[in-house]
Amino acid sequence: DQQVKQNSPSLSVQEGRISILNCDYTNSMFDYFLWYKKYPAEGPTFLISISSIKDKNEDGRFTVFLNKSAKHLSLHIVPSQPGDSAVYFCAAIPTQGGSEKLVFGKGTKLTVNP
Amino acid sequence: DAGITQSPRHKVTETGTPVTLRCHQTENHRYMYWYRQDPGHGLRLIHYSYGVKDTDKGEVSDGYSVSRSKTEDFLLTLESATSSQTSVYFCAISEAHAGNTIYFGEGSWLTVV
Repeated sequence: DQQVKQNSPSLSVQEGRISILNCDYTNSMFDYFLWYKKYPAEGPTFLISISSIKDKNEDGRFTVFLNKSAKHLSLHIVPSQPGDSAVYFCAAIPTQGGSEKLVFGKGTKLTVNP
Repeated sequence: DAGITQSPRHKVTETGTPVTLRCHQTENHRYMYWYRQDPGHGLRLIHYSYGVKDTDKGEVSDGYSVSRSKTEDFLLTLESATSSQTSVYFCAISEAHAGNTIYFGEGSWLTVV
């Protein structure tokens, strides 16, 4: 029973365009959300996070949007660059939960074509 | 980069043999974790530690044990390796508990034949 779902296993975009990676969750107790990026043969690296008290968080080219009523979040990358090609994991932590409660989605492989 | 070193980075072992993976951190973070990553499953927590000698089970703990005798080291042991434990293992650390960012090591590739 997946609590964090990334329904698109892969996404391909052109360099300079917007990449939108989507994530849905089922547990209404989740209140902190994170995105990680993973290159092949490396560990995941933290990218950006958002608390449930916000609906948007921006960091440079990366913006995460949270729609609590829809239990949906998305990561926007603008403009996309070839170096952004990686697997992106969405993750969530529940209220009253610690980091050991972090739940990951299965990941979306983003390919940015030059 | 978070100061996390995993060893060995790659290992091939035979079914039934014990295997120990080591995670060493230089950040003095209280919390340490072991995850495995498999195709179609994302990252799943095996065990975690919230202090020296304080450990607890995660989602997929069967067949694994851990030990933390020092703040900087967290060991993952496969008592008797099975082919289903062929995976990529990631150690992670975090400074605090609730809602805190976890930082990952570079991974250990384990193949059980």
